Amino acid sequence: KAGVTQTPRYLIKTRGQQVTLSCSPISGHRSVSWYQQTPGQGLQFLFEYFSETQRNKGNFPGRFSGRQFSNSRSEMNVSTLELGDSALYLCASSLGSGLYNEQFFGPGTRLTVL
Amino acid sequence: KQEVTQIPAALSVPEGENLVLNCSFTDSAIYNLQWFRQDPGKGLTSLLLIQSSQREQTSGRLNASLDKSSGRSTLYIAASQPGDSATYLCALRYPNNAGNMLTFGGGTRLMVKP
Repeated sequence: KAGVTQTPRYLIKTRGQQVTLSCSPISGHRSVSWYQQTPGQGLQFLFEYFSETQRNKGNFPGRFSGRQFSNSRSEMNVSTLELGDSALYLCASSLGSGLYNEQFFGPGTRLTVL
Repeated sequence: KQEVTQIPAALSVPEGENLVLNCSFTDSAIYNLQWFRQDPGKGLTSLLLIQSSQREQTSGRLNASLDKSSGRSTLYIAASQPGDSATYLCALRYPNNAGNMLTFGGGTRLMVKP
């Protein structure tokens, strides 16, 4: 069974640009969550999508947005990039919304903003 | 505020040693606790998931325990090997956070020397 895949693996952008990252969950999983990981702040929750609906959102500005498609694949978009957006962006998938869901992470997308 | 702390931040041990990694949390009303491993620049690998009603879980040389009353979890690694070198993260899921949002500790960076 294929794991969580994320594309692209690496991205270099300049300030002011926008970027779209993609995440394909494990087959059959309906929940996709996104996290930002930086050396200073650690892992911080961005948002979660379940059955194409945003279910929860972390404390990030509106420049960070996402969506989920009917096949459960998810994209996140960051507009007007800032230097501080440089980070490893991780997505996690899980089967549903049960109390004891185990979550599985992808390899991440390394975003560098110059 | 739900805070998760992992001490120490870094640990170096000789090969073959048994070791314990600690995770403490301020809010014990959890759904579950998950331990992850992260290799440098990579995604997270799920190691063990402990449900709130459980006291421990075992997988191979790994054993994780959960004591909600004291707000602590430990990850025990038996007979450590150089291949165990990685950052270990604990993450908690709380019922007052809709969906699958995880709250992460800062991680313990483990180095096992041959």
